[in-house]
Formats: sequence, structure tokens, C-alpha cells
Amino acid sequence: GENVEQHPSTLSVQEGDSAVIKCTYSDSASNYFPWYKQELGKRPQLIIDIRSNVGEKKDQRIAVTLNKTAKHFSLHITETQPEDSAVYFCAASNRGSSASKIIFGSGTRLSIRP
Amino acid sequence: AAGVIQSPRHLIKEKRETATLKCYPIPRHDTVYWYQQGPGQDPQFLISFYEKMQSDKGSIPDRFSAQQFSDYHSELNMSSLELGDSALYFCASSLVVGAGDEQFFGPGTRLTVL
Repeated sequence: GENVEQHPSTLSVQEGDSAVIKCTYSDSASNYFPWYKQELGKRPQLIIDIRSNVGEKKDQRIAVTLNKTAKHFSLHITETQPEDSAVYFCAASNRGSSASKIIFGSGTRLSIRP
Repeated sequence: AAGVIQSPRHLIKEKRETATLKCYPIPRHDTVYWYQQGPGQDPQFLISFYEKMQSDKGSIPDRFSAQQFSDYHSELNMSSLELGDSALYFCASSLVVGAGDEQFFGPGTRLTVL
């Protein structure tokens, strides 16, 4: 089955700097890669996603890249702000089937230093 | 807009008791997913239903069972509860056909087993 690995497990950056989180996946059938932000005790919130037919996607301060050949994908947050502090999960899914479960990475705890 | 509803939001049980968690998907959504998130862990896929039939099964213990009813709500039944079952349980719903299949997460049920 699918396995998603995520690094680093913790990340501390100065406010205003950039943060990068990297993930790899194992199942070449995965075609959808969402990123979730989760605050303590809350539900995972989708912040951006990318499909396998796209190499890069950007939404304001957040961007994702996908290297389908290498099975790598990354999240980039620029101009970090204190409210960006949270746990971030990458994930992979085989979207469009009736069993498109989401396989999550192990999470990155991002802390923004003021 | 209507969101996924989960009840109860908090549940405290003793070891060896049973628990039932309920999930009401977004109207018109045909697929429900259940995830279990232990403390400091990533969400783990348990089981999913598409059009009231089980569509996929993950790391769900034999002590757990689930079903989706004719009104599309779903229930997760947990028996012989163990301390290790203490976790956040998320339900997510999606519309598989035509709408892009994004999963929308409910607020979760926090189960504590004493």
C-alpha cells in the first residue's frame, strides 16, 4: 500500500523567513497530493493541493511542487507569520476512485519565532 | 454552507465498554471515511463507504465495525474498548463523481478510555 514519508518532524523558523517541508510517496498510482494544517485538537484543514498532472501550484504565500518521477513533493511557505505555527501534514491519495483514502505523512510541527 | 457533523464531540468510556460514534456527511456527498488520530500521531485511515457499501478498509481493529445508512450517515461502533483506543476520530465526506472528490473533515470526536 501507499506510504508517505515527511521531513522534518519539527521546524523552527524566524518570522518572515521561509519554511520548506518535504515528502516522498511510494505508490505510483497516487495522483492527488493535499497538504493539511492542523491546530491542536482541531480538524485537519486543507491549505493547498496538487494533482499529478501539474508540477507546481501557488496560492499567495504557499506553494507546492511535485516531482512525479522522483515521487517527491514539497510545501513552501514564504514570509512566515506567527499564525503559521501548527502541525502540517502532507498526504497522498488515488483520487477519482471509490476508495480514495488519504494516506498522511507523519507531520511537521512548525514553530515561527517572533 | 453545511459541513460534516460528528457526534458526540467528546466521549469518556471505561475499558471494555462500547462506544458509538456518528457522522453526518455534507448533503449529497456519497462517500464517508473514518480516520483515527492518536496523540501526536498522523490520522490513520480506518474504513470508508461509498453509496452505503464498504469501499475500502484500513487499519481497523476487529473490535470495531461501521456502516453507512440509507440517509448516508455513518456510525462507527467500537467494542471492548482499550486504553489505546483513546484518540480523535475524524469522519470525512466527499462526492466521488463529478465534484473533484475533495474530502471535507468533520470536527472530530475525542474518545477517552479510562
